[in-house]
Amino acid sequence: SAVISQKPSRDICQRGTSLTIQCQVDSQVTMMFWYRQQPGQSLTLIATANQGSEATYESGFVIDKFPISRPNLTFSTLTVSNMSPEDSSIYLCSVLSGRADTQYFGPGTRLTVL
Amino acid sequence: ILNVEQSPQSLHVQEGDSTNFTCSFPSSNFYALHWYRWETAKSPEALFVMTLNGDEKKKGRISATLNTKEGYSYLYIKGSQPEDSATYLCASNYGGSQGNLIFGKGTKLSVKP
Repeated sequence: SAVISQKPSRDICQRGTSLTIQCQVDSQVTMMFWYRQQPGQSLTLIATANQGSEATYESGFVIDKFPISRPNLTFSTLTVSNMSPEDSSIYLCSVLSGRADTQYFGPGTRLTVL
Repeated sequence: ILNVEQSPQSLHVQEGDSTNFTCSFPSSNFYALHWYRWETAKSPEALFVMTLNGDEKKKGRISATLNTKEGYSYLYIKGSQPEDSATYLCASNYGGSQGNLIFGKGTKLSVKP
């Protein structure tokens, strides 16, 4: 299984600011995914990040709000822009397993927006 | 809109009790059903992935079954231990896509010594 780390593990931010979350994988992977879990809600896919191409966003998520970078096969960033309290969530990155039959997740970034 | 439902929302049991949770999902265009175990401040841990109707998987004291025709899966824990305390998530893929996992809200299990 892949070992995935995320930075920061948690943060408290002011309304209107932006936060960039980093995701590092210990092996090269083609597809990386970004999810969020708002309080009391399900884990929801934000976007799929492939190296060398633009990220693909799910309905309800836009690039201006959640820009994603994927500079190489082991690293990705997600920025939460112009934050509001509604952005308070756990943000997780994930990758497909080697057999491509399941996903492995990072430990998450717990974001609180005041 | 695809919706995955889990019940109960939370469960409190005594050490040694056996327990089970339910995951309901739309059966049309189904591809795979996943179970994860998520402890606070840790990564969700993949427990099982099942694709075929009637699939049964087992990992130690934890097992799962799948009924794709009626759209449900059960997760069983035999002889619960305090270290089993976690949130158990199920998720489905559809249309052959490995990317978009549709998650339920989870069942939070607390096992008291």
